[in-house]
Amino acid sequence: QVQLVESGGGLVKPGGSLRLSCVTSGFTFSDSYMSWIRQAPGKGLEWLSYISGSSADTKYAGSVKGRFTISRDNAKKSLYLQMDSLRVEDTAVYYCVRGAPSAGSWGQGALVTVSS
Amino acid sequence: DVVMTQSPLSLPVTLGQPASISCRSSQSLVHSDGNTYLNWFQQRPGQSPRRLIYKVSNRDSGVPDRFSGSGSGTDFTLKISRVEAEDVGVYYCMQGTHWPWTFGQGTTVEIK
Repeated sequence: QVQLVESGGGLVKPGGSLRLSCVTSGFTFSDSYMSWIRQAPGKGLEWLSYISGSSADTKYAGSVKGRFTISRDNAKKSLYLQMDSLRVEDTAVYYCVRGAPSAGSWGQGALVTVSS
Repeated sequence: DVVMTQSPLSLPVTLGQPASISCRSSQSLVHSDGNTYLNWFQQRPGQSPRRLIYKVSNRDSGVPDRFSGSGSGTDFTLKISRVEAEDVGVYYCMQGTHWPWTFGQGTTVEIK
């Protein structure tokens, strides 16, 4: 079955950087659009970014454009999110999601806390 | 950005009774390719969201048939024909037609 497992979350100071990873299995990764969606504590959902199977097509939400970079390694069936210039308001659970805009499968999430 | 407005935000329901959640978008969700990219998600307490319905009315595999989606243009509805205890959680609508794709605020379904 489809599995998405995020890692790389943790505590970081404002202005710092963090890289999230998502290892996948159970589907043809290279054929799949992939996305990152986040959820601030006790809040709703925000779609941050997506990337096509070939990496040719990427898009970012305005809140993270220029600070976050989505990428993938099809040989490793892995998705990444490089997060730079982190802000307190970036504190959230970050979900790796298969599909865009279908969002058919979600990982368990990685908690990122930005605090001094 | 397209604003997705759900109502009600809180929905207390008696077990076995029906429930309905409304979702309205600030723009038509009909894509230039003819599809309407409106999804519904369920998030049970302590869990990741799970997609229930895609493209307005298509139920995902494994989703009980008591869940149904309908609507068009800017007005959409998720219905639960008979609420069960496992349906407790937060329900989100989401539009995937206009970037950035956006979610509704969420509707909390609880048992009375």
